[in-house]
Amino acid sequence: DARVTQTPRHKVTEMGQEVTMRCQPILGHNTVFWYRQTMMQGLELLAYFRNRAPLDDSGMPKDRFSAEMPDATLATLKIQPSEPRDSAVYFCASGLETGVEAFFGQGTRLTVV
Amino acid sequence: AQSVTQLGSHVSVSEGALVLLRCNYSSSVPPYLFWYVQYPNQGLQLLLKYTTGATLVKGINGFEAEFKKSETSFHLTKPSAHMSDAAEYFCAVSNNFNKFYFGSGTKLNVKP
Repeated sequence: DARVTQTPRHKVTEMGQEVTMRCQPILGHNTVFWYRQTMMQGLELLAYFRNRAPLDDSGMPKDRFSAEMPDATLATLKIQPSEPRDSAVYFCASGLETGVEAFFGQGTRLTVV
Repeated sequence: AQSVTQLGSHVSVSEGALVLLRCNYSSSVPPYLFWYVQYPNQGLQLLLKYTTGATLVKGINGFEAEFKKSETSFHLTKPSAHMSDAAEYFCAVSNNFNKFYFGSGTKLNVKP
């Protein structure tokens, strides 16, 4: 059963700490998206990658957020330093460039206290 | 530029009643349109999609949506609501599988 896997599912951290969220896209998918979901802003696109290269990260606060794909099976989203306003659910999604839909992981619920 | 507007952040229907969730989009190019469903503490699951061809699209769980270009709409319907349909529904637009733009979501409540 192919699915997008995100770890951890939940993370509570103190303000100022580094947070790393991981995503394993569906095997063979060459496009990866990172979204953030909050009550106030809904679903916001933070960044997306194609063939491991970042195509657009304009939605991401550059001073504290970074996204990478060390290899085709792993995408990471880091926040350093974390702030309470970063509390949200972060979703990773993957898909094929030749396809049309994105498949979502179950998300990482981040709480920064 | 692309955007999605979902009318009604909360919709409540009785079990067995018609479900109608509204979505209007803005796109400068022919759009790909999607409906996703999110159950509590879960990710988003694709319900249905429109790319090209037939404008009436059928999805999972008895849902369907009709692409109306003249109205720039892609409303989601289901003839008879079931308790298990209670969830949040998101309309999204994309262009050639680049960015997905999501609406703000509509929470569907189904009353017994």
